Formats: sequence, C-alpha cells, structure tokens
Amino acid sequence: GQNIDQPTEMTATEGAIVQINCTYQTSGFNGLFWYQQHAGEAPTFLSYNVLDGLEEKGRFSSFLSRSKGYSYLLLKELQMKDSASYLCAVVDSNYQLIWGAGTKLIIKP
Amino acid sequence: GAVVSQHPSWVICKSGTSVKIECRSLDFQATTMFWYRQFPKQSLMLMATSNEGSKATYEQGVEKDKFLINHASLTLSTLTVTSAHPEDSSFYICSARVNRGGNQPQHFGDGTRLSIL
Repeated sequence: GQNIDQPTEMTATEGAIVQINCTYQTSGFNGLFWYQQHAGEAPTFLSYNVLDGLEEKGRFSSFLSRSKGYSYLLLKELQMKDSASYLCAVVDSNYQLIWGAGTKLIIKP
Repeated sequence: GAVVSQHPSWVICKSGTSVKIECRSLDFQATTMFWYRQFPKQSLMLMATSNEGSKATYEQGVEKDKFLINHASLTLSTLTVTSAHPEDSSFYICSARVNRGGNQPQHFGDGTRLSIL
C-alpha cells in the first residue's frame, strides 16, 4: 500500500527554526509537494521537489532524499503566522497525489 | 498566476436540498480538477477527479449519484451534492492543475463550508 508519515503535531518558539519530516512509501515517485493550510482555509502551495537536495525559498526550505523516501520542510525565523498545518504529498507512478495527514505546527511567543 | 475561484464560500440549507458548488480556473486551463472533502481536524480526502469532457473518476466509497460532477469546459467544474443531509456537512475544496503534466502543483480554491440543518 501507499503510505505517507509525518508527525501529527509540533510546537516551536517564535524566531526559532523547526524541521517537519515526511517519510513515504509509494508505488513510484514523480515528486513531492509541501502545502500550508491555515485552520478553516484551503491549502496553499509551498514547494515541489523531484531531485535530491535542498530547495530554498526565503524562510522556507524543502529537502528530498529519494533513496531514503524522506523529505523535510525547514522553517526559519518562525513567525506567529506560521502556525498552520503542513501537508506532505507525493506524486506516484500514475501521477496521482498521495496526501499525508498533515503536521499541525503551533508557534509560541 | 494559477488562481482558482470557488463559489459559494458558505452554504447553509435544509436537509433534502441539492447544493451546487462551482470551481473555476481563472488564468489557466485545467484539463483536470479535483474535489476534496475535509472534516474538522482531519486530513484532506480526495472525493473525485474531474476530467474535462469525460466522466469523473470517483474514489472508493464516494457515491456517484450523490455527488454529481460536471466538467464542461477547461475552466469550470461543478460539484452538486444531491439531497444533502446533515452528515454531508463538511468543508469541500476544489483544486486544479495546469495542463503541463501530472507533476504540476494543484492550486486550491478557497473552499466551501456546507452546513445542512
């Protein structure tokens, strides 16, 4: 079966750095997405990785290791507005998007 | 770019009513659109994949006759919840993908919060 694992909830302090991990076992791999979803709102696209390595976009970076079936989202200089759920999603061999359950990130002052 | 508009944002109606939700890609063409449902504090659940000019592909457990999907053009897909009941109350979200391959990101509408009394 296809499976994506990410922690249910994480807590971090404003101004700090947090890393949200995602591991996956899917039938094929055609890329991995990270989305941010604030409570009561629809998800918004953050990043896409298909090759190994780190992609940096401002305060957010995403890393991929295809051999390990592993990705992480790194958030730097945390702000209160970063409190949200972060969803990991993998594109499988049929180009279907397999969603993780999301990690709820709580930022404390 | 890649803006998806979903309408309406909120619907409150009586049990037995049918409700239509529209999803439009405003600045791009989308051969494929997706319909999701999300219950409070739960993850996104894909209901169906909507393909322009053909029948939608429904996920297991989703009733085709209950959730009617029409994708009549490259910029519009509609979801109709027929004879809605309180258990259909949920957050319904559509997304669309630009026509450049399956590894393009899905862009989401703002969602429709459906409450059936």
